[in-house]
Amino acid sequence: QKEVEQNSGPLSVPEGAIASLNCTYSDRGSQSFFWYRQYSGKSPELIMFIYSNGDKEDGRFTAQLNKASQYVSLLIRDSQPSDSATYLCAVIVGGATNKLIFGTGTLLAVQP
Amino acid sequence: DTAVSQTPKYLVTQMGNDKSIKCEQNLGHDTMYWYKQDSKKFLKIMFSYNNKELIINETVPNRFSPKSPDKAHLNLHINSLELGDSAVYFCASSQDQGATYGYTFGSGTRLTVV
Repeated sequence: QKEVEQNSGPLSVPEGAIASLNCTYSDRGSQSFFWYRQYSGKSPELIMFIYSNGDKEDGRFTAQLNKASQYVSLLIRDSQPSDSATYLCAVIVGGATNKLIFGTGTLLAVQP
Repeated sequence: DTAVSQTPKYLVTQMGNDKSIKCEQNLGHDTMYWYKQDSKKFLKIMFSYNNKELIINETVPNRFSPKSPDKAHLNLHINSLELGDSAVYFCASSQDQGATYGYTFGSGTRLTVV
């Protein structure tokens, strides 16, 4: 089982709709969760991080965490064509040293 | 003012050559990383240094050798390049080993081995 799993997509939504991106992780001990956005040919850019169960909102973005179900999601309200990108879920995995493990990303396409 | 900068941005080279990628961060972070992103966009950690000390060394061929002269710089040298080394290599940094606030990535180096 992969440590962080995402549906590769593409997820296609019309402009103005809510885009829902999902991620599951395997390490029950993980405490920190991140969403990155990566435009084609660019580097990953941090959008949000979440540590506690529940919702965390930042502008049009809401991250949701359910540690019991080992599930993280990202909602994008009022989706814009400029939101079209690959969204990477990442989880801190501990051990001797913490490291950020990424999912394979979900490609989001917002249709004008 | 670029936070994490990598050079070169593009690198095209022949099989068997040796090449280096340089990375510098001006964020005052303690920890730096090298990640490889393959053609399927999967980002995989290769190495991590904390204040010049190697702390993560994933299963990477020993043709890859990182070096950190100080905590603001992390370079990657690759010997005897192979076709399978073609990928985008990202440098990243975090405040500390805990990476509580995630990483800041550099712009990437697209390596093409022909």
